[in-house]
Amino acid sequence: AQSVTQPDIHITVSEGASLELRCNYSYGATPYLFWYVQSPGQGLQLLLKYFSGDTLVQGIKGFEAEFKRSQSSFNLRKPSVHWSDAAEYFCAVGYMEYGNKLVFGAGTILRVKS
Amino acid sequence: NAGVTQTPKFRVLKTGQSMTLLCAQDMNHEYMYWYRQDPGMGLRLIHYSVGEGTTAKGEVPDGYNVSRLKKQNFLLGLESAAPSQTSVYFCASTYGGNGYTFGSGTRLTVV
Repeated sequence: AQSVTQPDIHITVSEGASLELRCNYSYGATPYLFWYVQSPGQGLQLLLKYFSGDTLVQGIKGFEAEFKRSQSSFNLRKPSVHWSDAAEYFCAVGYMEYGNKLVFGAGTILRVKS
Repeated sequence: NAGVTQTPKFRVLKTGQSMTLLCAQDMNHEYMYWYRQDPGMGLRLIHYSVGEGTTAKGEVPDGYNVSRLKKQNFLLGLESAAPSQTSVYFCASTYGGNGYTFGSGTRLTVV
């Protein structure tokens, strides 16, 4: 079955420190990969996506993610975290069999301490 | 350029009541989805549709029904609401899977 794993439920980083959020997926072929961010009480905002080509993708708000096929991973990174980055982050994988279904990880809550 | 519109935004139901959530998209997308979001569980797929007149079960379909009579609309129904259906519901649509548009969500409380 398709699955997406975000191993870290909560992460706390200091403002200005670097950030890496982990995401692993199960799939036989290369899926479409996404990272979304959700602030409390808000909807989902797309940070970045990967379909093919360069395995390092740039997104909004200074985020980037790297697709590693050998590790079935799509980790999200940011070199310097800002207090406004505190939110919940979801990794999602689009499975292109019947339905183009989007499967989400359970999310990682990011806390930023000053 | 409305994108995906969900109505209502908030609703409180009593156990056993029924209701319908409406999702409307104006992008001519073929695929539409209903998700529920619960703390610590991410978004889980309830039902989806690959085109007008089609529906299919997702990961957590029990207690819900859907219909896609028109391409632009995807309705989610709760025939007899239960407290376990208290959640935030998101609708999404896509043309081909490489870009999804989400609605702003419906917060449902069943008491």
